[in-house]
Amino acid sequence: DAKTTQPPSMDCAEGRAANLPCNHSTISGNEYVYWYRQIHSQGPQYIIHGLKNNETNEMASLIITEDRKSSTLILPHATLRDTAVYYCIVRVPWAGANSKLTFGKGITLSVRP
Amino acid sequence: NAGVTQTPKFRVLKTGQSMTLLCAQDMNHEYMYWYRQDPGMGLRLIHYSVGEGTTAKGEVPDGYNVSRLKKQNFLLGLESAAPSQTSVYFCASSYLYSRQGRGTEAFFGQGTRLTVV
Repeated sequence: DAKTTQPPSMDCAEGRAANLPCNHSTISGNEYVYWYRQIHSQGPQYIIHGLKNNETNEMASLIITEDRKSSTLILPHATLRDTAVYYCIVRVPWAGANSKLTFGKGITLSVRP
Repeated sequence: NAGVTQTPKFRVLKTGQSMTLLCAQDMNHEYMYWYRQDPGMGLRLIHYSVGEGTTAKGEVPDGYNVSRLKKQNFLLGLESAAPSQTSVYFCASSYLYSRQGRGTEAFFGQGTRLTVV
């Protein structure tokens, strides 16, 4: 799996959009971008994933650059409950044993009142 | 539908003792994983399994063994616990292949907090 790089932390004001960046410059053509988050010490929670088109669900939007070397997770109206560590992961979802789900250090998002 | 359930939630062991952590999922997922998370760090993959009867090593397998005798269960064993194994352990599961109406995102349990003294 390709590696990702994320800044260690960022903050945003409650009610504003939170834009979390991720670089994956060595991503291969069949690797998807996945985002998970971990609130306090709970188990990680899946947010969204995509291949090359922008994706949106009830939690967030995922914007992937045209060259696929970077992406941005957007939380449109951040709340205090969105304070968490966010992990960006690239993997081939159907690669069987070669598709291990491995986590980096993630980015800590702090939402301030 | 309980999702992923880990047993126990908390445990204190003495150095040298053994124990088994149980992960159970009711989603018919092929893929199951065990991770450990130390304070202030990300999750590190210990072992994983792509199906019943198959297991493989992750990033930090030493000191642990696993078994997947039934599709729904993935056991993590510590044969001789050491203080360095004090950690929070997470189990996860996912489908191996995506199909219409389902994806390959992973679902996580709530963790087992293990302290080895």
